[in-house]
Amino acid sequence: AQTVTQSQPEMSVQEAETVTLSCTYDTSESDYYLFWYKQPPSRQMILVIRQEAYKQQNATENRFSVNFQKAAKSFSLKISDSQLGDAAMYFCALPPNSGNTPLVFGKGTRLSVIA
Amino acid sequence: DGGITQSPKYLFRKEGQNVTLSCEQNLNHDAMYWYRQDPGQGLRLIYYSQIVNDFQKGDIAEGYSVSREKKESFPLTVTSAQKNPTAFYLCASSTDAGQPQHFGDGTRLSIL
Repeated sequence: AQTVTQSQPEMSVQEAETVTLSCTYDTSESDYYLFWYKQPPSRQMILVIRQEAYKQQNATENRFSVNFQKAAKSFSLKISDSQLGDAAMYFCALPPNSGNTPLVFGKGTRLSVIA
Repeated sequence: DGGITQSPKYLFRKEGQNVTLSCEQNLNHDAMYWYRQDPGQGLRLIYYSQIVNDFQKGDIAEGYSVSREKKESFPLTVTSAQKNPTAFYLCASSTDAGQPQHFGDGTRLSIL
């Protein structure tokens, strides 16, 4: 079975600083996607960034980037120039091995941003 | 604009009562999902549907039921058999199981 592990239940960062949230996973697939979702206090789930495993280049979306290490099965999210609005729960997610079951989510990391 | 609409935003259930949470999408997505989220916790899958008139149990299906009579709609019924229904419920959809899921704004269910 596929697993997604987020080992940091809580993190904090000073405003304008950089923070990295970790995610490791296990899959037997060679081609797959990985996702990071953000859930702010409003509890809306927002897709932050997507990485395709066959692409060697790390995905970037404005201040959000990933450090994808396929061999190590690691998919960390880096937030640069942190802003108060980045405070949220962040979930890492992985599609399943077979095509007919939903994403597997990690348990989440709660990020606090200190002014 | 395309999206997912969940209603109501807040719902209260009396003991022994069944309640139904609505989820409608106009994204033309084939797959739809229901998740439960308890305070400070991650998402747990209740039910999912890959196609109309078909659905599968997730990790915590006991005490819940669903239907998928139309592509756009995937209502969730919380039955009286669900003894601890107080939680935040999220509905999502995607083009197929491996693609990013789009989420609704959620329904908060509480016991009276």
